[in-house]
Amino acid sequence: EPEVTQTPSHQVTQMGQEVILRCVPISNHLYFYWYRQILGQKVEFLVSFYNNEISEKSEIFDDQFSVERPDGSNFTLKIRSTKLEDSAMYFCASSPGGGSNEKLFFGSGTQLSVL
Amino acid sequence: AQSVSQHNHHVILSEAASLELGCNYSYGGTVNLFWYVQYPGQHLQLLLKYFSGDPLVKGIKGFEAEFIKSKFSFNLRKPSVQWSDTAEYFCAFRGSWGKLQFGAGTQVVVTP
Repeated sequence: EPEVTQTPSHQVTQMGQEVILRCVPISNHLYFYWYRQILGQKVEFLVSFYNNEISEKSEIFDDQFSVERPDGSNFTLKIRSTKLEDSAMYFCASSPGGGSNEKLFFGSGTQLSVL
Repeated sequence: AQSVSQHNHHVILSEAASLELGCNYSYGGTVNLFWYVQYPGQHLQLLLKYFSGDPLVKGIKGFEAEFIKSKFSFNLRKPSVQWSDTAEYFCAFRGSWGKLQFGAGTQVVVTP
């Protein structure tokens, strides 16, 4: 089965630094997502992306966050100035369509640790 | 407000025991319901989904779930678990439009 791939698997950064989390969605998928899971908490939606623009974002996704699809394959999440509370597992996902019954395919996640 | 809740945070059971994980959602319209599983060190994988038709849905690895509209529930079941079923299980739903929302997850530990 095709997979969503995420790099790096672990990222350690200092508070205030910028980080970019990278994702390669499945090639024929059109909808892309970022979710995160803080240790011990539920998986939270951050943002969805379609047709080169954000289609929905949560209240977590403030001005410190941005997403980009710089080429035909990568989908990145940038955190401009990291805070301690940004430490979490970040999951990228993609789906072929945007319908509510669509299956999301998730990557393995990037564990971000902000020190 | 839309939400989804899972009844148990941790479940420990022996191999061959039956498993049932509760999930309830809060939403007034048509819903699409999912169960995802996350094995240790691996990514989230879809176990099964419901969006219409037969409310009893069969998924991979012997799992099934039943959608009971009157109870706003979508409980996951497996008649006989194996050690390899040790994982975290997430109920999730989407309304007619919008984001996939997850429950808090249930950590299931199956002992030999």
